[in-house]
Amino acid sequence: QKEVEQDPGPLSVPEGAIVSLNCTYSNSAFQYFMWYRQYSRKGPELLMYTYSSGNKEDGRFTAQVDKSSKYISLFIRDSQPSDSATYLCAMKKAAGNKLTFGGGTRVLVKP
Amino acid sequence: NAGVTQTPKFQVLKTGQSMTLQCAQDMNHEYMSWYRQDPGMGLRLIHYSVGAGITDQGEVPNGYNVSRSTTEDFPLRLLSAAPSQTSVYFCATNMNTEAFFGQGTRLTVV
Repeated sequence: QKEVEQDPGPLSVPEGAIVSLNCTYSNSAFQYFMWYRQYSRKGPELLMYTYSSGNKEDGRFTAQVDKSSKYISLFIRDSQPSDSATYLCAMKKAAGNKLTFGGGTRVLVKP
Repeated sequence: NAGVTQTPKFQVLKTGQSMTLQCAQDMNHEYMSWYRQDPGMGLRLIHYSVGAGITDQGEVPNGYNVSRSTTEDFPLRLLSAAPSQTSVYFCATNMNTEAFFGQGTRLTVV
């Protein structure tokens, strides 16, 4: 079983809809939870991160972490065609820099 | 300020050939890593380095070697290419939560 599980999609939504993405994990040592966005034929880029449990909002993006359930989510409000990309969750323990990634979810926002 | 630079962008190898994927960073980060990305598998860690002279294996190290003689460079060597190594390879450097990735190398082994 993988340490981090993520539904591969694809997830297709109309423009303006809310996109809901999630990951589950098994390692309770993870303390940092990140979302990366990857456009086609590009390297991933950090979208946002959360430390421990709780919510974090950045513009149209909201990240949620529920450590008791080992479940993290990313919500994209008012989705735009430019949000079409693969979204990867990633996690890190408190010490060190090693990141563990989920498999990524492909999102398509249709105009 | 280029960030992370990978070369080449594309490569086709024959089974059994060897090659080196180059990675250089100008961010002065100690930590560097190599990933491979396959459909549905996400990014899988091949090797990583916490500083010059120190390397360690990741999740899928077999068939690959690395070295880290300087802070800036972290080359990945394929010893004897196999079709199973057909993939997109990313080099990254990170400081804590934010990883900076190169543009990737698309490798096909025939």
